[in-house]
Amino acid sequence: DGGITQSPKYLFRKEGQNVTLSCEQNLNHDAMYWYRQDPGQGLRLIYYSQIVNDFQKGDIAEGYSVSREKKESFPLTVTSAQKNPTAFYLCASSRAGEPTDTQYFGPGTRLTVL
Amino acid sequence: AQSVSQHNHHVILSEAASLELGCNYSYGGTVNLFWYVQYPGQHLQLLLKYFSGDPLVKGIKGFEAEFIKSKFSFNLRKPSVQWSDTAEYFCAVNAKAAGNKLTFGGGTRVLVKP
Repeated sequence: DGGITQSPKYLFRKEGQNVTLSCEQNLNHDAMYWYRQDPGQGLRLIYYSQIVNDFQKGDIAEGYSVSREKKESFPLTVTSAQKNPTAFYLCASSRAGEPTDTQYFGPGTRLTVL
Repeated sequence: AQSVSQHNHHVILSEAASLELGCNYSYGGTVNLFWYVQYPGQHLQLLLKYFSGDPLVKGIKGFEAEFIKSKFSFNLRKPSVQWSDTAEYFCAVNAKAAGNKLTFGGGTRVLVKP
């Protein structure tokens, strides 16, 4: 089955700790994205990558970091610098990152900072 | 700030009622418009999209949306809803003016009572 997998589904972190969220896709898509979903605010773009070894900041990149060493993988690190990290994180991919491309989403990771 | 607005945060209706969800955006120039749906416990998925041609777009599960350029709107409609349409609906705009990144509205939670 082609799709996007995110792990873990639920993640708990103590304040001051960095944590890495996994995102893998087997759709052979060039572009990948990370969004943060908060109630009533929709999805906000954190980072995106249109090609391996290249990525761009989205609207709310502060306190986050990413890497894109392989086409199928786009992990997100939530650092201790992120002031309000508790949220639902969604990973997505699209064929080529074109404006008309459909984005396909993973099941999400719910991060809770204790 | 330029944005995407969904004015209804929550909608409750009975089966067989008609549904219309509003979506307005503030970007000028070229836009590509999407409606995504998130059913309980499922991935966010595409309902329909518009980027050119007939401004009345038909999507999956009997949904349609109309692009009215003069009103900067892309409202979603379904003539007769079912209980299975209970979900959260997100309007999204990919605008050249916003750097060709997908910007989401805040979402509308729809509850269909059986």
